[in-house]
Amino acid sequence: AQSVAQPEDQVNVAEGNPLTVKCTYSVSGNPYLFWYVQYPNRGLQFLLKYITGDNLVKGSYGFEAEFNKSQTSFHLKKPSALVSDSALYFCAVVSSNTGKLIFGQGTTLQVKP
Amino acid sequence: ETGVTQSPTHLIKTRGQQVTLRCSSQSGHNTVSWYQQALGQGPQFIFQYYREEENGRGNFPPRFSGLQFPNYSSELNVNALELDDSALYLCASSRFHGAVEQYFGPGTRLTVT
Repeated sequence: AQSVAQPEDQVNVAEGNPLTVKCTYSVSGNPYLFWYVQYPNRGLQFLLKYITGDNLVKGSYGFEAEFNKSQTSFHLKKPSALVSDSALYFCAVVSSNTGKLIFGQGTTLQVKP
Repeated sequence: ETGVTQSPTHLIKTRGQQVTLRCSSQSGHNTVSWYQQALGQGPQFIFQYYREEENGRGNFPPRFSGLQFPNYSSELNVNALELDDSALYLCASSRFHGAVEQYFGPGTRLTVT
């Protein structure tokens, strides 16, 4: 069965410092991986995706993610965090059979001034 | 913001009642997926509609049903509401069945008392 794990419920970083939000996956076949962000009382906003190609994927708002096949990971990164990055982040994988998104439990990112 | 809209924004219902949630897909998209996001959880796939037929279903009971209309808009119906149905219901549209990118609406917050 396909699954996604986000091992950290919350990540705290200081503004200006680099941030990493971790994600590992388990899929059969080629993985299609996504990161979404959710602000309070809002829907999901797409940040970036990995389908194929370069392992380093660049996305919206300065975020990037590194696909690591050997470690089955797709960690979200940003070189310099902003207070406005504080939100709930979801990693997801697409099920190749149904096209449905399978989400992790989410990681709350708290960026402090 | 995506072009996916959902109505209503918020809804309060009593246990045992029935509810209908609505979703308009982004222009040019013919596939709609529905997700349930309980508080503190990642979204869970309910089902997907393509060409007005259900095309894939998650682990939800039959009292969760849906429709898709010729203009590709969709409804989610839940009968015999239970307290655990309280959640944010997200609709996502995609360009075609099998497309890996899904675009989310803002969601409908359902509270069952």
